[in-house]
Amino acid sequence: DIQLTQSPSFLSASVGDRVTFTCRASQGISSYLAWYQQKPGKAPKLLIYAASTLQSGVPSRFSGSGSGTEFTLTISSLQPEDFATYYCQQLNSYPLAFGPGTKVDIK
Amino acid sequence: EVQLVQSGAEVKKPGESLKISCKGSGYSFTSFWIGWVRQMPGKGLEWMGFIYPGDSDTRYSPSFQGQVTISADKSITTAYLQWSSLKASDTAVYYCARHTTGPLADRLVAVDYWGQGTLVTVSS
Repeated sequence: DIQLTQSPSFLSASVGDRVTFTCRASQGISSYLAWYQQKPGKAPKLLIYAASTLQSGVPSRFSGSGSGTEFTLTISSLQPEDFATYYCQQLNSYPLAFGPGTKVDIK
Repeated sequence: EVQLVQSGAEVKKPGESLKISCKGSGYSFTSFWIGWVRQMPGKGLEWMGFIYPGDSDTRYSPSFQGQVTISADKSITTAYLQWSSLKASDTAVYYCARHTTGPLADRLVAVDYWGQGTLVTVSS
């Protein structure tokens, strides 16, 4: 099975900051990686799929990059509504695992 | 508008059985894999498995194989997650999740729609 790790686990940042999270796969997954945002008590929301394609309706301050085993999600200017937990998911092979998440908190 | 509407919260005792549901609407139910994701209290997301309602092809994560049953009734556009004997460790929120393919429709690329979640509490 493919394992995903995310770093950092926790990130404290301020409104307006540029933040970058990393997701690493235990083996190559091409570009079959998605990123989700989850707020407390809510279902996750799709942000990015195919490593770098922005889901319709998602603000352009979100961007994704990477292929193979290393991927990044960047928020160019953190907004108050972006404080949440972010998960990556690989869809290259079964089981379609999620990473453990990165929680973004207010500094 | 695509919607996934899940059944309500459940409180059960260990050893009891349970079947929760997820009704899809606003899209071709038989053309998308629909699955389940577990989130235990204060923890991350865990992919459990999914089913293709068009032909009932079903895949499970090894962590959940044999522990739950995923099914679907395409006549009423509803997917199900079922336990035969619940444990306290099954306490969690369960999300149904529509999986989508990319532009070439050849590979899965993401979960694009989620249900609102069903809280299952198992306690004696």
